[in-house]
Amino acid sequence: QSVLTQPPSASGTPGQRVTISCSGSSSNIGTHGVCWYQQLPGRAPKFLIYNDNRRPSGVPDRFSGSRSGTSVSLAISGLKSEDEADYYCAAWDDIVNGLLFGGGTKVTVL
Amino acid sequence: QVQLVQSGAEVKKPGASMLLSCKASGYAFTDYAIHWVRQAPGQRPEWMGWINAGNGDIRYSQRFHGRVTITKHTSANTAYLELSSLKSEDTAMYYCARNPPGTVDFDHWGQGTLVTVSS
Repeated sequence: QSVLTQPPSASGTPGQRVTISCSGSSSNIGTHGVCWYQQLPGRAPKFLIYNDNRRPSGVPDRFSGSRSGTSVSLAISGLKSEDEADYYCAAWDDIVNGLLFGGGTKVTVL
Repeated sequence: QVQLVQSGAEVKKPGASMLLSCKASGYAFTDYAIHWVRQAPGQRPEWMGWINAGNGDIRYSQRFHGRVTITKHTSANTAYLELSSLKSEDTAMYYCARNPPGTVDFDHWGQGTLVTVSS
């Protein structure tokens, strides 16, 4: 099944750790590395994580990625108000022969 | 610094075509691919296709059933997206994004172009 599934929302208080999951299948996450993007309101997505757990330069180490089989997770530790955004996972899919994005998770800082 | 600057907002009627541009600067244009991604209001991003700015290879999403054409003008460091037979469902923000070779990462994004399709 060519779909990436994320929970619609997650929340935490400043300083807490929040984890977002992204579930796929053997045709996408099971075979290919996953990227994560952060999208602030009204802005273009920003490159956050690549190859499941690698951070581009400039991304704080508060952001980390992990994988378990056909699921990946993004963790935000030491949550800050500026982390309030939508987060999307993305992976190539061999069935549709194209890139899939997850449905997005809105992170709210309480 | 790397920049992708997209053309301005457009309003189109159903059945018309649109042509968007994405001008790259701050890096060697032909060393990367350019992808196009659109995002309807409140929806997830949707991948449309890509062009290898070096050798010109192109791949399109099957979802658009031949309505999409991606081209480039190398000397102008610019990529283009054409979408034909527009429908109201094509109303979205359209983004171009830079893609390093050998990856499916989008490490830099344009600011987006809002396209509204309405009669």
